[in-house]
Parts: sequence; structure tokens; C-alpha cells
Amino acid sequence: DAKTTQPTSMDCAEGRAANLPCNHSTISGNEYVYWYRQIHSQGPQYIIHGLKNNETNEMASLIITEDRKSSTLILPHATLRDTAVYYCIVRANNDMRFGAGTRLTVKP
Amino acid sequence: DAGVTQSPTHLIKTRGQQVTLRCSPKSGHDTVSWYQQALGQGPQFIFQYYEEEERQRGNFPDRFSGHQFPNYSSELNVNALLLGDSALYLCASSWGLVAGYNEQFFGPGTRLTVL
Repeated sequence: DAKTTQPTSMDCAEGRAANLPCNHSTISGNEYVYWYRQIHSQGPQYIIHGLKNNETNEMASLIITEDRKSSTLILPHATLRDTAVYYCIVRANNDMRFGAGTRLTVKP
Repeated sequence: DAGVTQSPTHLIKTRGQQVTLRCSPKSGHDTVSWYQQALGQGPQFIFQYYEEEERQRGNFPDRFSGHQFPNYSSELNVNALLLGDSALYLCASSWGLVAGYNEQFFGPGTRLTVL
């Protein structure tokens, strides 16, 4: 079973920051937090991952709380093409357990 | 640099038949994982291959089997197809079996419909 809890859906205005929360209260010390997204009928796309520290790349930022029990994915300037299902996953090996994810809709 | 490729794109089978799906990993990757994604759900892990051996397996029956070839490509076989096997089958590749800090790259998937 997935070890994460995410809201079912969220809306965001185009050009604004999208903040997607994820709870992973049972995360173990060696488990990483990964974010993927899936645009309709395509394979999941890797976004970002982290262990303890906050991370940033060209796509997004990942903020992990100090106790590591929750995290937030931030898309700084959402565009219509960011509309997708976003999955938060905790993993310690190559076995990734996906939950239902958050369906993000970016609106004009 | 080609990413993960899968074939065929779509497939229609009838109950009781057998199916083989194929996956070529991203260049430089040696580990292949397979996932099943039913409509409206997240992907579910089937199994993973490394060095031509099944290394991990999810909660799937023995009807689901696989193979990895020396060139790291992989096949997923499903026997005695059931209606419930209709899904998008995703292949993901990565490098090595080292603990979870290496991202998996997914292919576009094969859409299997069982009638």
C-alpha cells in the first residue's frame, strides 16, 4: 500500500505558484521522497526527489519538513501544460508504490 | 538518446489468451521495472529485473512473468488473460539496484484491452 496521503484534486491559476502537499508520517530514515506527474495517457514523468534537505531543479522545488513527515511540491509559475496527476512517493529501493495522486488543474 | 520504448502501443486480446509486451530501457540503464495501471488509478508495481533475474515482485499472481535479456531489454508475459487485466502497462528503467535515490524513467506504456 502507498505510504503517502495527498488531496484528491487541486486547482491553480495560470502563472501562480502551485503548492501540492503530501503527508508521509511513517517515512523511514532511509526513504526518499519522490514526485512524479502523469499527463493523460502518458507514462509518469520524474519531477524531483529529496531525502532531508529542500531541493530545487528547473521544474520545481521540494520542501521537506524537518521531521520528514510531510513535504510540498512547488511549481513556481504554473502553466496550462502543468495540468496532470501528481504522485508523491516514498521509497528506499526500486519498488515504487504509487497512490492515487493529486489531480492538478491549471486554469487560465 | 532514446528514452524508454515499449511495444506494441495498443493490444486487444480475448479472455484466456496470452500476451507478451516488450520494453527497451533508456541508454545506460540496466534495471527494468514493470507496472500495471488500471483506469483512474496509480501505477501498481509488478516486478523488477536486474542482471536477467527477477529481483522484486509486487502482489501479482504467477500468471504474470517476465524476462530480461543480455542487452537489458525486457518482456512481460501474462497468461490466461482475465477481463481485469485490461490496463496500461508501464515499463520503467533505472541504473542499478542501489537504494532509492536513482530516478526511474518511464516509457509511454502499452494499452492492453481484454475482451
